[in-house]
Amino acid sequence: DVKVTQSSRYLVKRTGEKVFLECVQDMDHENMFWYRQDPGLGLRLIYFSYDVKMKEKGDIPEGYSVSREKKERFSLILESASTNQTSMYLCASKTTGGREKLFFGSGTQLSVL
Amino acid sequence: SQQGEEDPQALSIQEGENATMNCSYKTSINNLQWYRQNSGRGLVHLILIRSNEREKHSGRLRVTLDTSKKSSSLLITASRAADTASYFCATREAGGGADGLTFGKGTHLIIQP
Repeated sequence: DVKVTQSSRYLVKRTGEKVFLECVQDMDHENMFWYRQDPGLGLRLIYFSYDVKMKEKGDIPEGYSVSREKKERFSLILESASTNQTSMYLCASKTTGGREKLFFGSGTQLSVL
Repeated sequence: SQQGEEDPQALSIQEGENATMNCSYKTSINNLQWYRQNSGRGLVHLILIRSNEREKHSGRLRVTLDTSKKSSSLLITASRAADTASYFCATREAGGGADGLTFGKGTHLIIQP
């Protein structure tokens, strides 16, 4: 089975800190995604990557950046954390070639105080 | 941008009953998928239906798709307590590139024992 691992289950940070959320997948998937999930808003796409060193903005990229130096790892970076970035962050991956199914990590609940 | 909208937002039924959730979307799609999320966890893929299909079954799940009405329904038969979760529809827009799926806000299903 595909495994998508997010480095932290819960994270508490202070306003203004630089925050790194890490995601690793073990199935050689080309595509990786970062979503955030908020009550009443569902999942919203922050950034995605379809290859190493490639990145594309999603619907809500402001305040975030990403890094994909290796195929299996996709990092989400909050340059200067703010309280409105308190959320559940979900990483997902999928292969290409018609296989549309997304595989999700367990999520990181980030609280910015 | 939000594509799918699930209805109802919340549903509570007795164990053994059938549960039906609906999803409406706005644009032409390539496929529509349903995911389940247990409380505080990542999403798990349930079933995918392509735009040229009208109905699909997987175990106790039945999905229908009506592209003329831009709507889909998910039926869970003979519900169990373990089916308690949030259910999301997600769409892949026709002609879309490598970007991720667009998710609705979810239906929270509670199965009363």
